[in-house]
Amino acid sequence: QKEVEQNSGPLSVPEGAIASLNCTYSDRGSQSFFWYRQYSGKSPELIMFIYSNGDKEDGRFTAQLNKASQYVSLLIRDSQPSDSATYLCAVKTTRGGKLIFGQGTELSVKP
Amino acid sequence: DAGVTQSPTHLIKTRGQQVTLRCSPKSGHDTVSWYQQALGQGPQFIFQYYEEEERQRGNFPDRFSGHQFPNYSSELNVNALLLGDSALYLCASSFGEGEKLFFGIGTQLSVL
Repeated sequence: QKEVEQNSGPLSVPEGAIASLNCTYSDRGSQSFFWYRQYSGKSPELIMFIYSNGDKEDGRFTAQLNKASQYVSLLIRDSQPSDSATYLCAVKTTRGGKLIFGQGTELSVKP
Repeated sequence: DAGVTQSPTHLIKTRGQQVTLRCSPKSGHDTVSWYQQALGQGPQFIFQYYEEEERQRGNFPDRFSGHQFPNYSSELNVNALLLGDSALYLCASSFGEGEKLFFGIGTQLSVL
């Protein structure tokens, strides 16, 4: 089992729709969870982080965490073509505290 | 305020050669992590340096080594290059425990 798994996609949504990106992790003791956005040919940039169960909202982005199910998600409301990118889920593990990334989900927002 | 800088941006080597990649962290950061990202994959953790010591290491062979200097900059060295080492090498800096990473633009390494 991979430490961090994401749906590989690609995920295609129409402009204005809600995009839902999912991630599961194997280390039950993990405490910190991150979402990075990576445009094609660019480096990852941090867009959201969450530490507690529940929802955390920042503008059009909402991160959701369910530690019992070992599941974290990212919702993007009113998706825009500029949101088209690969979204990387990252988890800080209890084994030494290194940040482990999933394989990424490619999102395409169609005008 | 300069962000994370990496050099070179592109590099072409042949099998068996050695390569050194360089990274300067964002101002105020003292921790440097290195990641390897193959095409279409997420970044894979190589190692992390803090106070000039390797603090954590991922599942990479000893051909991958690194160093951190007193000014917090870092180098990644790869010996005996293999075709499979072709990838984007990302440097990320952070402060202290290193949770929120800031990435450089990366070095695209091609091994022929």
